[in-house]
Parts: sequence; C-alpha cells; structure tokens
Amino acid sequence: EPEVTQTPSHQVTQMGQEVILRCVPISNHLYFYWYRQILGQKVEFLVSFYNNEISEKSEIFDDQFSVERPDGSNFTLKIRSTKLEDSAMYFCASRTGLAETQYFGPGTRLLVL
Amino acid sequence: AQSVAQPEDQVNVAEGNPLTVKCTYSVSGNPYLFWYVQYPNRGLQFLLKYITGDNLVKGSYGFEAEFNKSQTSFHLKKPSALVSDSALYFCAVRDDGYNKLIFGAGTRLAVHP
Repeated sequence: EPEVTQTPSHQVTQMGQEVILRCVPISNHLYFYWYRQILGQKVEFLVSFYNNEISEKSEIFDDQFSVERPDGSNFTLKIRSTKLEDSAMYFCASRTGLAETQYFGPGTRLLVL
Repeated sequence: AQSVAQPEDQVNVAEGNPLTVKCTYSVSGNPYLFWYVQYPNRGLQFLLKYITGDNLVKGSYGFEAEFNKSQTSFHLKKPSALVSDSALYFCAVRDDGYNKLIFGAGTRLAVHP
C-alpha cells in the first residue's frame, strides 16, 4: 500500500541554522500539507500546497518557513533560521483531488539546541 | 471557525471491555470528521471518517464511530478493546477552504490486560 515517506526521521540542529525536511507524498496525490506537533501538544496545521503554490498557511508559517515541490515527487519544508521553539515533530500529509482523507507520513522529529 | 474538543486526556479500559473515546465538534457547515491514531514514535494513521450517509461509520482495526448531529459528537468506539489499541487518538474536522484538518488535543487510550 502506498505511503507518505519523510526524511530524516530525526534532525538535531543549532539555533539559527537552516533545515530542510523532506517528504515524498503518495504518487497520485495532488494536495500536500505540513503540520507540526510540539511535544505534548495538539497537531497544528502549517501550510497547504496545491498546483505548485501555497493555497493556505497558518500564522505559524512566517517568513522563516518555505515550501517547495522541486520535482514530481518531493515536497520540502525549509526553516531558514531555526529557533528553539521550532523543536517539534513535523508531519507531511497528502490527499487526492477527490477524496477527503489526508494520509500522513511518519514525521521528522526536529530538535533545535 | 471550526473546532474540535476531546474532553478526556486519558481513557483507561480493561482488555475485552468496550471502549469509547469522546469527541465533540463545532462547524459552520456540513461536518467532515476524522479519527486518527498515533502509536509511539509513529505518524498519524487514518482510522475512519464521516462525510455523509450512515451515522455509524466503520473503520480500521474494528473501530467505529457514531455521528450525532444533535449532540455535535463523533465518539470513537470499539466493542472489545485490545492491549494493542493503547495509543493516542485524535479527532479532527476538516476546515473550509483548502481542507486543512483541525485536530483535537488527543486522548490517550490505555488498555490494561
């Protein structure tokens, strides 16, 4: 069964460094999402992406964040200058154009020191 | 604005007993409701959804959920709990627009042998 995959599974970085989190959505899916989950808190929406552009973003998704679909398979989240409060689990999700269900990847645990 | 409430932080149940994990929602239009499960160090796995139709929705691993419009609830149920059902359960509602999901705070289910 097709799955959303994410790399790396864990990332440790120093405050102020740039990180890129990678996702490979399910191949026939058209809508892509990033969510994050700070330890012990609820899952929060960051951004949605459709037709090669951002369709919606939350207030969390400020100028430090960007997303890209550089080729036909990868979907990346870049944090330009990480802050301590960016430490969280980041989930990628995707869905087809017809169905409502979003399928999530296993997540990348980001730790900013 | 759409919102979801999971009133219980934790639910404890003995193996073999029925379980219920509660969820209430607030939406401005027709509710699109979802349940996801998160096992330790894993991503969010889709369990079931209500879009339209029968109020009792059946999903993966023997779970079902009952949509109740008058009580604005979408409780997750299983007739006979297994120890392996122990996990974190999230209720979610689809937001308007580009279909981002809004999650509840999560309920930790502990099934004891």
